[in-house]
Amino acid sequence: QKEVEQDPGPLSVPEGAIVSLNCTYSNSAFQYFMWYRQYSRKGPELLMYTYSSGNKEDGRFTAQVDKSSKYISLFIRDSQPSDSATYLCAMSPDRGSTLGRLYFGRGTQLTVWP
Amino acid sequence: NAGVTQTPKFRVLKTGQSMTLLCAQDMNHEYMYWYRQDPGMGLRLIHYSVGEGTTAKGEVPDGYNVSRLKKQNFLLGLESAAPSQTSVYFCASSYPPLTSGRAKGEQFFGPGTRLTVL
Repeated sequence: QKEVEQDPGPLSVPEGAIVSLNCTYSNSAFQYFMWYRQYSRKGPELLMYTYSSGNKEDGRFTAQVDKSSKYISLFIRDSQPSDSATYLCAMSPDRGSTLGRLYFGRGTQLTVWP
Repeated sequence: NAGVTQTPKFRVLKTGQSMTLLCAQDMNHEYMYWYRQDPGMGLRLIHYSVGEGTTAKGEVPDGYNVSRLKKQNFLLGLESAAPSQTSVYFCASSYPPLTSGRAKGEQFFGPGTRLTVL
């Protein structure tokens, strides 16, 4: 079992829809939680970053972390065709021998159609 | 400021051939990483380095070797390529993980190298 589980989709929604992307994890040492966005044939780029539990909002994007359930989410409001990409969740501990390593989910492929 | 660059962008190898992938970064990052990305598998860490002259194994290190002779460069070698190593390879770099004023865990990725082993 992977330490980070993510439904690969694909997910296809109409423009303007609210999109919900999720990941679960098993390692309670994870403290940093990230969402990376990867456009086709490009490298991933950091989209959102949170530390420990809670919510973080940035424009149309909201990241949520529920450490008690080991569950993180990314919500995209008013989705646009330009949001079409693969979204990867990633996590990291804040100490120990694996400090600095990111553990990625498989990625969810999202298509927003006009 | 080029960020992270990878050479080559594409390569086709025959089984048993060797090659080296080059990663260069101009952000003065201490940490560098090599990942492979396969369909449905996400990003898997091959090797990483926490500083010049140091390397460590990641999740899938078998069949690969690395070297970090200069801070800005991280090389990934395949000594005897196998079809199972057909993949897209990404290099990334970052500040040390607890650097203040930085998003912890942010890694900067290169554009990738598409490798096919026949």
